[in-house]
Amino acid sequence: AQSVTQPDIHITVSEGASLELRCNYSYGATPYLFWYVQSPGQGLQLLLKYFSGDTLVQGIKGFEAEFKRSQSSFNLRKPSVHWSDAAEYFCAVLKHSSASKIIFGSGTRLSIRP
Amino acid sequence: EPEVTQTPSHQVTQMGQEVILRCVPISNHLYFYWYRQILGQKVEFLVSFYNNEISEKSEIFDDQFSVERPDGSNFTLKIRSTKLEDSAMYFCASRATDTQYFGPGTRLTVL
Repeated sequence: AQSVTQPDIHITVSEGASLELRCNYSYGATPYLFWYVQSPGQGLQLLLKYFSGDTLVQGIKGFEAEFKRSQSSFNLRKPSVHWSDAAEYFCAVLKHSSASKIIFGSGTRLSIRP
Repeated sequence: EPEVTQTPSHQVTQMGQEVILRCVPISNHLYFYWYRQILGQKVEFLVSFYNNEISEKSEIFDDQFSVERPDGSNFTLKIRSTKLEDSAMYFCASRATDTQYFGPGTRLTVL
């Protein structure tokens, strides 16, 4: 069955430091992968997506993610975090079917140390 | 930029009452979804809707739940008799192609 694993429940980084959030997926075919961000009390905002092509994808707010098929990973990175990046980050995979529902990971909460 | 909107932002209800959560999907989208997120847990798929019918539903989506597109713009989720465990954030989403866009959510609190 399709699944998404985010091994880190909570990460704290200093403002200005680099960030990498881990995501591993289990999917039989070529996955469609997403990262969403949820700020406190807010909805889910799409950061970036990977469907095919270049394995390094750029998103909004200076985020990028790299698809590595050999590792079944789709890690999210940012070279220098800002206090406003504090939020919950969800990795997700699209399950292809008539419905094409999204399967979410459990999320990683990012805190920023001043 | 077009957005998915949801009303109300917060709904408080008594156990056993009916609630209707409303969503206005992005106007040219044809596929609609409801997801929910119980506090501290992951976002879970509830139901998908296309061409005026349910295309898939999860085990959570039992007979207490129903969805409807009553007109050309609204998409609603009805919970007929709410339970305490229905307390959650409910997200509506819509898509035209492969990317789903989510609304800001409705926080449902069942007392």
